[in-house]
Amino acid sequence: DQQVKQNSPSLSVQEGRISILNCDYTNSMFDYFLWYKKYPAEGPTFLISISSIKDKNEDGRFTVFLNKSAKHLSLHIVPSQPGDSAVYFCAASAGSGNTGKLIFGQGTTLQVKP
Amino acid sequence: AAGVIQSPRHLIKEKRETATLKCYPIPRHDTVYWYQQGPGQDPQFLISFYEKMQSDKGSIPDRFSAQQFSDYHSELNMSSLELGDSALYFCASRDRGRSSYEQYFGPGTRLTVT
Repeated sequence: DQQVKQNSPSLSVQEGRISILNCDYTNSMFDYFLWYKKYPAEGPTFLISISSIKDKNEDGRFTVFLNKSAKHLSLHIVPSQPGDSAVYFCAASAGSGNTGKLIFGQGTTLQVKP
Repeated sequence: AAGVIQSPRHLIKEKRETATLKCYPIPRHDTVYWYQQGPGQDPQFLISFYEKMQSDKGSIPDRFSAQQFSDYHSELNMSSLELGDSALYFCASRDRGRSSYEQYFGPGTRLTVT
C-alpha cells in the first residue's frame, strides 16, 4: 500500500526551464511534507519542506506547493540547472505526537539537459 | 557543518553471518532513524530512537535489532543474514527538541549478502 506516490519515474527538462515534480498522498493524517534530492552512492539530501497549514513554501530556486483537498504536492525548480539532475523523493510525516518517521514516494529521476 | 556519519560505507557478508552498522548523528540531535532502501525502491522505515529509547518500529525483521547509546550514536545489528537483506541502509537524525521535522541523512552503508 503506497501511501505516497510519485507517478512519474522520470522527467527531462532543458536547462533554464522549469522542472515540476509531482507527489500524491492518501493518508489524511500526514501533516508535514519534505522533498529530498539523492545522487547515486549518497544519502538523501533535504531540500525543502512544508507544513499542512501552508500552501506554499519557497527557498531560492525551489518552491513547494501543497493542495490539501487534492492530497497533492509539487516541487518547482526554476531555473533548472544541470547540477539538479538527481533522483527526487517526496516524503510525508504524520506530525505532532507522532515519532516523525518518513514515508517516501518511489522517486522521480530528473535530468536537466544543458 | 557536521553531518551524519555512518560506518562502514560498504560491507560484504555471507548468508547466515551477522553485521553491525553504526550511525553517529549530527551533534545535539536527539532522534535517530534507520531506513532500508532496496534496489530501485524507496527508503523504508525500520526503527527509530528518541533520547536512547526506541520510539517507533517499522518493517524490521526480528533478526534485526538496534539501540541508541548514551552518546546518541546508534547501532543496527543484523543476524542470520539473507540474500534479501542486500540493500542500502541509511541512518537519519533529527532535532526533535526543536520541533523540527526535517531529517538529515548519512551517506548510507551498502550491505551485500552473498
